[in-house]
Amino acid sequence: SQQGEEDPQALSIQEGENATMNCSYKTSINNLQWYRQNSGRGLVHLILIRSNEREKHSGRLRVTLDTSKKSSSLLITASRAADTASYFCATRPGGGNKLTFGTGTQLKVEL
Amino acid sequence: DGGITQSPKYLFRKEGQNVTLSCEQNLNHDAMYWYRQDPGQGLRLIYYSQIVNDFQKGDIAEGYSVSREKKESFPLTVTSAQKNPTAFYLCASSMGPAGGPQTGELFFGEGSRLTVL
Repeated sequence: SQQGEEDPQALSIQEGENATMNCSYKTSINNLQWYRQNSGRGLVHLILIRSNEREKHSGRLRVTLDTSKKSSSLLITASRAADTASYFCATRPGGGNKLTFGTGTQLKVEL
Repeated sequence: DGGITQSPKYLFRKEGQNVTLSCEQNLNHDAMYWYRQDPGQGLRLIYYSQIVNDFQKGDIAEGYSVSREKKESFPLTVTSAQKNPTAFYLCASSMGPAGGPQTGELFFGEGSRLTVL
């Protein structure tokens, strides 16, 4: 079963707007990662946030983590058409060996 | 350039045939992984290996087999026992053993798309 579940499943916005996607997970974690996947390609790591961190920034990306609610959010500011992709959160349930991915959010940024 | 190379990119198979997907990395990573992705869905772990000559089953290992004879290589065989093999297969690697002190960031190949005719 999936450890993480992203919300919404699909999101369509205009270029220049901000995009927010959420991830909920079920068990305790040491860290949470976000990945991006362009259609038909491999995944690319975006950012990692540790369980003792509440917020992290990387360029136009802002990630938050609320371990009490077992949830994380990814904010992409000033979106561009090139941001069109699927975004996945990933965790290691219980800090174990397997990296488990959520179901993903499909983001479409229109000109 | 360092990275992960998967081949072939596209593969067609007749029912009842075994096929092997290649995954090679020159990142000097210890851990390697195979995931399966179905249309519109997330990734499901098939097998993973933390070190040469050792590997563990993931969540959907039935109908698949792997080997890890060299650090750089982690081939996946899709056997005839896999009932629904048509999917996009992704290989990945990470610097240290999964769950170890390293960040655990995964580096992915570009995938292999298998279609059963």
